[in-house]
Amino acid sequence: GQNIDQPTEMTATEGAIVQINCTYQTSGFNGLFWYQQHAGEAPTFLSYNVLDGLEEKGRFSSFLSRSKGYSYLLLKELQMKDSASYLCAVTDSNYQLIWGAGTKLIIKP
Amino acid sequence: IAGITQAPTSQILAAGRRMTLRCTQDMRHNAMYWYRQDLGLGLRLIHYSNTAGTTGKGEVPDGYSVSRANTDDFPLTLASAVPSQTSVYFCASSEGTSGSGEQFFGPGTRLTVL
Repeated sequence: GQNIDQPTEMTATEGAIVQINCTYQTSGFNGLFWYQQHAGEAPTFLSYNVLDGLEEKGRFSSFLSRSKGYSYLLLKELQMKDSASYLCAVTDSNYQLIWGAGTKLIIKP
Repeated sequence: IAGITQAPTSQILAAGRRMTLRCTQDMRHNAMYWYRQDLGLGLRLIHYSNTAGTTGKGEVPDGYSVSRANTDDFPLTLASAVPSQTSVYFCASSEGTSGSGEQFFGPGTRLTVL
């Protein structure tokens, strides 16, 4: 079966750095997405990786290793507004998007 | 303002009733999707449409139907609601088909079936 694993919850301190991991087992691979979802709101797009390596976008970076079925989202200089759930999603060989359950990130002052 | 709208924002529904959740986008996107989101579970795809006039089944289609008469609208109908359909429903769209690009989400409909 297809599976995406993320930690359920993480806690970090304002101003620090946090890494949220995502491992996947899917039938084929055509890209990996990270979305942010604040409580009670809709998911919003953060990043897309299709090739191995690191994609940097401001305070957020996303890394992909296709051979390991692994990705991480790195958040730097954490702010209170970064408290949210972070969703990992993988496009399989049929171009269907498979979603992880999300990681709830709690930022403490 | 460009984007996706959903209606209603929330609804309490008696079991056995019929309900249509509305979704409209003004970005002229080809593909549209309906997801449900339940606590502790990832977004689960109910139905999708890669272009006007076509629809497909997702991971959890039973008890739901959709239509795509034009590019902008993608309503989701529960023919006879059951309590297990209590969930938050998100409509989304993307320029490309299925999982090939960024998806834009509507604000969601919180549905409670009693």
